[in-house]
Amino acid sequence: DAKTTQPPSMDCAEGRAANLPCNHSTISGNEYVYWYRQIHSQGPQYIIHGLKNNETNEMASLIITEDRKSSTLILPHATLRDTAVYYCIVRSNSGNTPLVFGKGTRLSVIA
Amino acid sequence: NAGVTQTPKFRILKIGQSMTLQCTQDMNHNYMYWYRQDPGMGLKLIYYSVGAGITDKGEVPNGYNVSRSTTEDFPLRLELAAPSQTSVYFCASLREGRSEKLFFGSGTQLSVL
Repeated sequence: DAKTTQPPSMDCAEGRAANLPCNHSTISGNEYVYWYRQIHSQGPQYIIHGLKNNETNEMASLIITEDRKSSTLILPHATLRDTAVYYCIVRSNSGNTPLVFGKGTRLSVIA
Repeated sequence: NAGVTQTPKFRILKIGQSMTLQCTQDMNHNYMYWYRQDPGMGLKLIYYSVGAGITDKGEVPNGYNVSRSTTEDFPLRLELAAPSQTSVYFCASLREGRSEKLFFGSGTQLSVL
């Protein structure tokens, strides 16, 4: 079973920030939060990951709450090309634990 | 680097036929994975490998076999194709370390009729 809970779908206006929430209330101390997205029928694409500090890269920002039980992926200026399914995954990066994908959030960016 | 390459891109099988989905990566990654994705659903892990000669089952391994004789190649075999195996199959490899990241192939769309 997936360790995360995400809303099934969200809409966002083009040019606005898209804030995608993820609940992971049973996260362990050595587990990271990963975000991937899948555009149409392509293979998933890595976005960002973090342990407890907020992270930012050229694609997005990841905000993790202090208790680490939830996080938010922020796309600062959403474009139509950001329309995709976004997956939040919790995983330990030690050993050979594979990434297990849930159903994700379908983000629709609207012009 | 070509990244992760999957062949074929499309395939139609008859019930009971067998086939091998090919996956190769040129990034010298130890970890490789096979996922399937049914329409409108998320990805399900079939098998994975942590290095040449080592494989392990994922969430949905029944009806599939894998081998990992080299670091580069991780083929997935369907022995007796069934309609329930109609799906899109994705292969992936993992770059380890602080900038850990999964790289996916472009997928194989398989229909079993």
